[in-house]
Amino acid sequence: QVLLQESGPGLVKPSETLSLTCTVSGGIVSSGGYYWSWVRQPPGKGLEWIGYIYYTGSTNYKSSLESRVTISLDTSRNQFSLKLSSVTAADTAVYYCARLRRGVGYFDYWGQGTLVTVSS
Amino acid sequence: EIVLTQSPGTLSLSPGERATLSCRASQSVSSSYLAWYQQKPGQAPRLLIYGASSRATGIPDRFSGSGSGTDFTLTISRLEPEDFAVYYCQQYGSSPPFTFGQGTKLEIK
Repeated sequence: QVLLQESGPGLVKPSETLSLTCTVSGGIVSSGGYYWSWVRQPPGKGLEWIGYIYYTGSTNYKSSLESRVTISLDTSRNQFSLKLSSVTAADTAVYYCARLRRGVGYFDYWGQGTLVTVSS
Repeated sequence: EIVLTQSPGTLSLSPGERATLSCRASQSVSSSYLAWYQQKPGQAPRLLIYGASSRATGIPDRFSGSGSGTDFTLTISRLEPEDFAVYYCQQYGSSPPFTFGQGTKLEIK
């Protein structure tokens, strides 16, 4: 059973950088076959894919967020992280980390999600 | 960008009834790359169906998926109380690689 757990501040000030970490257990982030992803959901709204990282370090980001997003991998801790810079209230959302099966494109395991509020 | 439009927005049914949820794509989607998720309040989405019609591990057989091209359907044959939730379709395409529909809320009538 693969478990993912998000962690990080629940409150970020406008214009600052949102930073979250996803700790993976029951799976290895340095193994092939999976992309390690971030998805967010504004309160009461739908799901939005943010980006993913592969064990090689290659990344793919949603184009509208690409200038502000960085996803990185820490294989020694079996973690991956999200940084989103210059946040505004529109970035307030529940942020999920998820495992994405390479080649077929579905998210088979999800973290429980963490609410990040952007407010001064 | 491929836009997925789900209908209806809200579906009101009773336990034991059959639910039919629709997901329409703005461009053709490979059946291999269409998935459905269930989300309950305060929980993460749960994968139900992948490849348009394959059930994920542990998903009851009352859930089934079908469709091809631009029209896909999730059917729940006999609703159980625990099935009332929001359902999302998701596609894997080119740019951006992953998009979700806006969701269908299945509520108890």
